[in-house]
Amino acid sequence: ETGVTQSPTHLIKTRGQQVTLRCSSQSGHNTVSWYQQALGQGPQFIFQYYREEENGRGNFPPRFSGLQFPNYSSELNVNALELDDSALYLCASSSGGGVTETQYFGPGTRLLVL
Amino acid sequence: SQQGEEDPQALSIQEGENATMNCSYKTSINNLQWYRQNSGRGLVHLILIRSNEREKHSGRLRVTLDTSKKSSSLLITASRAADTASYFCAHSSINILTGGGNKLTFGTGTQLKVEL
Repeated sequence: ETGVTQSPTHLIKTRGQQVTLRCSSQSGHNTVSWYQQALGQGPQFIFQYYREEENGRGNFPPRFSGLQFPNYSSELNVNALELDDSALYLCASSSGGGVTETQYFGPGTRLLVL
Repeated sequence: SQQGEEDPQALSIQEGENATMNCSYKTSINNLQWYRQNSGRGLVHLILIRSNEREKHSGRLRVTLDTSKKSSSLLITASRAADTASYFCAHSSINILTGGGNKLTFGTGTQLKVEL
C-alpha cells in the first residue's frame, strides 16, 4: 500500500461527456503526476502539479486539465471524451516537484468511453 | 509515444530460475526506475538507480545501468510464481532549464510469467 488513493475505481462514460478523476497524495508529498495507460502499453505522462501549479505537461490536448488543492490532492478533468480516452488513469505522488525521487502510484481509475 | 523499449516483450520461466529484462532509452537521464504492475492495477516501485550508479541490489533484484549504451537490465533471482506481473522501466529526463526532471517516461513493459 502506497497511501495514494484514487476515485472512482471504475467509470463508464459516453463519447462527448466530461469526467473528473480524483487523487489523494501520500502524506508529506506535495507533487502529483498523472499518467494514462492504454491497454498493453506503458503509462504516458499527462501532467504534474507541484504546490498547486502545473509543473510540466506531456503531449496531451488542452481538453485534459487538472487542479491541485492546498492539501495536495488533485483532480484530472477530461472534456469532450473520445473513444481513445478509454484507459487506466494513474496518479503518483512524490515530493520536491521533480522525479529525482521515487513516485508512489495509486491503484488507478479505469475509464471506459462508449 | 513511448521513448523506451523493453526486451523481451514476454518471458516465461520456471519457478526458481532467474529472469532478466532489458530496457533501452534515448535521452540523457537523471535516474532510471523499475516498476511492477499486476493485472492492470497500480504500479509498485521496485528500485531506483541514479545516472552515476552502475549497479544496485535490493533483495532478489539486481539492476544495472550503462549510460554509454543508454540501457538498463533488471535481474530477478530465484523467481517465484508471485513474481508473475508486468515490469516497466521508467527514466527521468534532465530538464535543461532547471537541471531536474518532472516526468517519468515509461518503456513498453515485459510480461513475466513464472510457472510452478
